[in-house]
Amino acid sequence: DAKTTQPTSMDCAEGRAANLPCNHSTISGNEYVYWYRQIHSQGPQYIIHGLKNNETNEMASLIITEDRKSSTLILPHATLRDTAVYYCIVRPFSGTYKYIFGTGTRLKVLA
Amino acid sequence: DAGITQSPRHKVTETGTPVTLRCHQTENHRYMYWYRQDPGHGLRLIHYSYGVKDTDKGEVSDGYSVSRSKTEDFLLTLESATSSQTSVYFCAISESTLANPVYEQYFGPGTRLTVT
Repeated sequence: DAKTTQPTSMDCAEGRAANLPCNHSTISGNEYVYWYRQIHSQGPQYIIHGLKNNETNEMASLIITEDRKSSTLILPHATLRDTAVYYCIVRPFSGTYKYIFGTGTRLKVLA
Repeated sequence: DAGITQSPRHKVTETGTPVTLRCHQTENHRYMYWYRQDPGHGLRLIHYSYGVKDTDKGEVSDGYSVSRSKTEDFLLTLESATSSQTSVYFCAISESTLANPVYEQYFGPGTRLTVT
């Protein structure tokens, strides 16, 4: 079973920030938080990962709470092309090679 | 984009026939994975490989076998296809280095398989 809980769906206005929450209250000390997204029927796309510090790249920012039990993926200026299913995943960075995908959050960006 | 191709991209086959799906990578990544995706279930891991001839089962491995005889190719075989194996199949690859041990995955375009 997935170790994360995400809302089933969210809407966001185009040009506004999209904030996607994820709960991972049972996360272990050696587990990273990863975010992927899947646009329509394409293969999932890696977005960002983090351990305990906030992270930012050209696609998004990842905010992890101090107790690491939850995180938020932020798309700073959502566009219609960001409409997708977003998956939050936790897994160790070594030892096991498996990703467990849940059902994710379906984000719809509205014009 | 990572160099991952899957073949065929679409296939229709009859119940009871064998089917082999191919994943080919040009990235020389060590790890390769097969997933299936069905409505309401998200992505589920079927089998994965952590090197040539080294494979292991995932969550939903029954009815599937895999082989990896060279780094670039990972084959998924349905020995006797059933209608419950109608799905979209994704291959993924990943690698780790001392500088980046985080194992992010890169996915192929998918194969849509229909078993009638």
